[in-house]
Amino acid sequence: EVQLVESGGGLAQPGGSLRLSCAASGFSFSRNYMSWVRQAPGKGLEWVANINLDGSEEKYVDSVKGRFTISRDNTKNSLYLQLSSLRAEDTALYFCARDPYVVTDNVAYGAFDIWGPGTMVIVST
Amino acid sequence: DVVMTQSPLSLPVTLGQPASISCKSSQSLVYSDEKTYLNWFQQRPGQSPRRLIYKVSYRDSGVPDRFSGSGSGTDFTLKISRVEAEDVGVYYCMQGTQWPYTFGQGTKLEIK
Repeated sequence: EVQLVESGGGLAQPGGSLRLSCAASGFSFSRNYMSWVRQAPGKGLEWVANINLDGSEEKYVDSVKGRFTISRDNTKNSLYLQLSSLRAEDTALYFCARDPYVVTDNVAYGAFDIWGPGTMVIVST
Repeated sequence: DVVMTQSPLSLPVTLGQPASISCKSSQSLVYSDEKTYLNWFQQRPGQSPRRLIYKVSYRDSGVPDRFSGSGSGTDFTLKISRVEAEDVGVYYCMQGTQWPYTFGQGTKLEIK
């Protein structure tokens, strides 16, 4: 079965850190870009970060640059998001999502076709 | 950043009636390869988002053919020809032409 399952969420203090993980199965993980997307309680979707096939290129939304780090381990079919210097506004449900890489076009374009159930991050004292 | 603006933000619809959601981008979404990377997602209550449409008008397998996407440049539309109860949820457009990827605010579809 094709699936993504996130873990690692929880309660963190402002200024604290967390590491989120996303386990992929049922598809060729190394042949796909991957992203993290978050959703604050009662709010819309916000793309957070993206990583290319071999992890050599990372992209971030401005609000998390310098605080979050996306990484992947293709040998373990796993995606990660290291969250540091956490703020209250980082409180959200964090989804990992597959961003299909289109070989013929040499591009991935956010057509997230597989999503995990999400892992909740709460930043509070 | 490319700003994606959806309207309406709330969409009450009678069962069996059509529905239409507009999505406008602050810049053209035509990429250097001349393709347009505009996607639509549905998020049912309590569920993860699900892709409905990619590259403006390509419908995903398993998505009912009552859903269709259209548009070009900066103006895009998601249409539902006849709304069913299972269509209740929030619909988001998202551009993948330029970094950072950006979503619209979401349109909440409910049954009247």
